[in-house]
Amino acid sequence: EDKVVQSPLSLVVHEGDTVTLNCSYEVTNFRSLLWYKQEKKAPTFLFMLTSSGIEKKSGRLSSILDKKELFSILNITATQTGDSAVYLCAVETGGTSYGKLTFGQGTILTVHP
Amino acid sequence: DGGITQSPKYLFRKEGQNVTLSCEQNLNHDAMYWYRQDPGQGLRLIYYSQIVNDFQKGDIAEGYSVSREKKESFPLTVTSAQKNPTAFYLCATSWARGGELFFGEGSRLTVL
Repeated sequence: EDKVVQSPLSLVVHEGDTVTLNCSYEVTNFRSLLWYKQEKKAPTFLFMLTSSGIEKKSGRLSSILDKKELFSILNITATQTGDSAVYLCAVETGGTSYGKLTFGQGTILTVHP
Repeated sequence: DGGITQSPKYLFRKEGQNVTLSCEQNLNHDAMYWYRQDPGQGLRLIYYSQIVNDFQKGDIAEGYSVSREKKESFPLTVTSAQKNPTAFYLCATSWARGGELFFGEGSRLTVL
């Protein structure tokens, strides 16, 4: 059974802090790892990582994948209250389950002013 | 407007009643998915469909049924056999080749 585990489950910080969210996985037929941000309802896409060691960046957010150690991290620098959300990690597997994503439990990030 | 439309956004039902959640998309995506979200458990896959007239069970399909008669539509029925149906249900789509999922706004079902 495919498994994705995120840590910590929740995190409270103050504006300006830097946070690191973790995602580890045990799956068969790995294709990619994706990060989503969920503020209220629909999760919105952040990053998709397929290659090990290559950092993806978007503004204050960045993410990297380690396929040898089977984990990924999502970094947010200079956090703002608008970063408060649930951050979801998902792993896409291939083969007969082409395109199927298995999600982790999510990390609830709260940023205080 | 392009996107994924889920309806209703909120639904209350009595125990023992079947309910059907609608998901319509005009993104021309091949694959459609239903996920259930409970607090502290992330998203769990109920059913998915990669082409019309075909669908597969996900990790928690018991007590649910789906159909995929049209590319644009993938309704989910929560049957009375589902023991704990109160949850937030998310519909998503993707291209057949996989990758990024696009999500609807969700339907929150409460069974009284």
